[in-house]
Amino acid sequence: KAGVTQTPRYLIKTRGQQVTLSCSPISGHRSVSWYQQTPGQGLQFLFEYFSETQRNKGNFPGRFSGRQFSNSRSEMNVSTLELGDSALYLCASSLVGDPYEQYFGPGTRLTVT
Amino acid sequence: GQQVMQIPQYQHVQEGEDFTTYCNSSTTLSNIQWYKQRPGGHPVFLIQLVKSGEVKKQKRLTFQFGEAKKNSSLHITATQTTDVGTYFCAGPKGAGNNRKLIWGLGTSLAVNP
Repeated sequence: KAGVTQTPRYLIKTRGQQVTLSCSPISGHRSVSWYQQTPGQGLQFLFEYFSETQRNKGNFPGRFSGRQFSNSRSEMNVSTLELGDSALYLCASSLVGDPYEQYFGPGTRLTVT
Repeated sequence: GQQVMQIPQYQHVQEGEDFTTYCNSSTTLSNIQWYKQRPGGHPVFLIQLVKSGEVKKQKRLTFQFGEAKKNSSLHITATQTTDVGTYFCAGPKGAGNNRKLIWGLGTSLAVNP
């Protein structure tokens, strides 16, 4: 099976712009979680989608949003980018909605200037 | 709220030495998962422990789940340069549709050849 794919892999944006990141889970996986990773902060949970519904949400401002499509592909959007949004954004899929083992994509490295 | 603490944050060892990272939760966990992230890579699932006192081995890696299911450890025997990376533990929080993984901040392992 193909692994989790994320596009784009690298992105440079200017403060105030918005960005959309895409994630395609492993075939058959219906749960998709998004994480923000910055040095020293570990993995910060953004949200999880299951069957096109947001099931869980982390402590991020409303500028961070996401959605999931009927084919389980997911997107996350960040509006009005801030310098502090520079990070590696990781998507992870799992077989069922419960937090069974998560399979991560390679991530999108976002740099905000 | 529930937290998962990992120690140490960093560890430098000489190749051939042993290494241990510890994970402690403020509450009882139903299970604990371990992941490894190589430099420049993404987290990769290593193992899940479910039972109280469980011990699992993967070649030179030994994983333990405490009797009270509030702590866990990962021990690497005779480290090799291929063991370099950050090791994360994660445990589920919440129930039903509100379950999500809570992550430790990770232990970064450097191995001197």
